[in-house]
Amino acid sequence: GAGVSQSPSNKVTEKGKDVELRCDPISGHTALYWYRQSLGQGLEFLIYFQGNSAPDKSGLPSDRFSAERTGGSVSTLTIQRTQQEDSAVYLCASSLIPGSSGRNQPQHFGDGTRLSIL
Amino acid sequence: ILNVEQSPQSLHVQEGDSTNFTCSFPSSNFYALHWYRWETAKSPEALFVMTLNGDEKKKGRISATLNTKEGYSYLYIKGSQPEDSATYLCAFYPGTYKYIFGTGTRLKVLA
Repeated sequence: GAGVSQSPSNKVTEKGKDVELRCDPISGHTALYWYRQSLGQGLEFLIYFQGNSAPDKSGLPSDRFSAERTGGSVSTLTIQRTQQEDSAVYLCASSLIPGSSGRNQPQHFGDGTRLSIL
Repeated sequence: ILNVEQSPQSLHVQEGDSTNFTCSFPSSNFYALHWYRWETAKSPEALFVMTLNGDEKKKGRISATLNTKEGYSYLYIKGSQPEDSATYLCAFYPGTYKYIFGTGTRLKVLA
């Protein structure tokens, strides 16, 4: 399909291990967002990409979190030395650039990666 | 700190009832307000993008209104059906990359 694709859908790993989450946005969508939802919390902004650059990474919770985007397409979110508090659903969304064509664009979300740290 | 609040946090209604919920957001630096529906085990789906004060949008039995001067938006569901059961999220966009989401209203429609 032409939607946002995330992988893996579920990931269980031991505390201290590194994990890599992948997002494949809709073709042509220049804007890409990462969010997470911890149990009982709302959607928390992590990072925004415009093309390959990240003008806003203010939501990354610590230096254990990093993200990159290559070719203006696929993005990976890496969490190093995972902690139990990293357990959450990580969602990726893409859109046309906000405000492009004078209209604000809705975000299109993937199904998320459910990350569980033991 | 920009804060977006949604109320109620959750509600149960009977099939056929009409219902509404509220999203409150900062009245300054407004650019857009989004509504999303998030069903269990699915990804959030965009319902409405609202940009103008006084906007009213409708999609089937669901409609939304926007008051940017006082900083609130209402989402209405007429004649609720079990398939309307979901979490309804609003997201405030101040025009500076970051969307601020509310914690959502969890709706359960009882058959």
